[in-house]
Amino acid sequence: GAVVSQHPSWVICKSGTSVKIECRSLDFQATTMFWYRQFPKQSLMLMATSNEGSKATYEQGVEKDKFLINHASLTLSTLTVTSAHPEDSSFYICSATEGSGGPSTDTQYFGPGTRLTVL
Amino acid sequence: AQSVAQPEDQVNVAEGNPLTVKCTYSVSGNPYLFWYVQYPNRGLQFLLKYITGDNLVLGSYGFEAEFNKSQTSFHLKKPSALVSDSALYFCAVRDMNTGNQFYFGTGTSLTVIP
Repeated sequence: GAVVSQHPSWVICKSGTSVKIECRSLDFQATTMFWYRQFPKQSLMLMATSNEGSKATYEQGVEKDKFLINHASLTLSTLTVTSAHPEDSSFYICSATEGSGGPSTDTQYFGPGTRLTVL
Repeated sequence: AQSVAQPEDQVNVAEGNPLTVKCTYSVSGNPYLFWYVQYPNRGLQFLLKYITGDNLVLGSYGFEAEFNKSQTSFHLKKPSALVSDSALYFCAVRDMNTGNQFYFGTGTSLTVIP
């Protein structure tokens, strides 16, 4: 089946530094990737939708200058948390869909998540 | 507006008993419905989906879900629960009219008691 990986799985950083999280589709081409944020015991909050070769679409309330998303290839999207602060500490999860999102490609496959802790 | 509701934050069931995790949805068009499971500190794993066809959908690990259009529900079920089924379960809906975005429920924590 479709596999999505994330790296790193856990990162601890100092306040003010930037952190890059990678999301890769290992055995399929992901035209669309999604980035979510999950707080403890809460649901997933969609941050942005990323299409290969174009700018990401951010959800309302998500600062695009703080959460930089790049989807440079069909198998890789990156999320960079710039000038991280303790309130950015969270579990970040990416997902990917194959192809153009039609009925046969509508399932999102999720990465294992990245836990970010900002001191 | 598109939305998904999981009315129970917590479900407890004894091992070997049948389990049900409830989900209702609201979309403007035809829904694509999904169930995902999340184990601690892990990403979401796909269980099953309803797109069209039979209302009863069979998924991974013995789970099934029944699409009920009149009640706008998509409850997750399993005839005999295992302790290893204990996890967080998310229902999600995708509205074909709005494209790729998924709307997730708030999650239901399932505990199977040995």
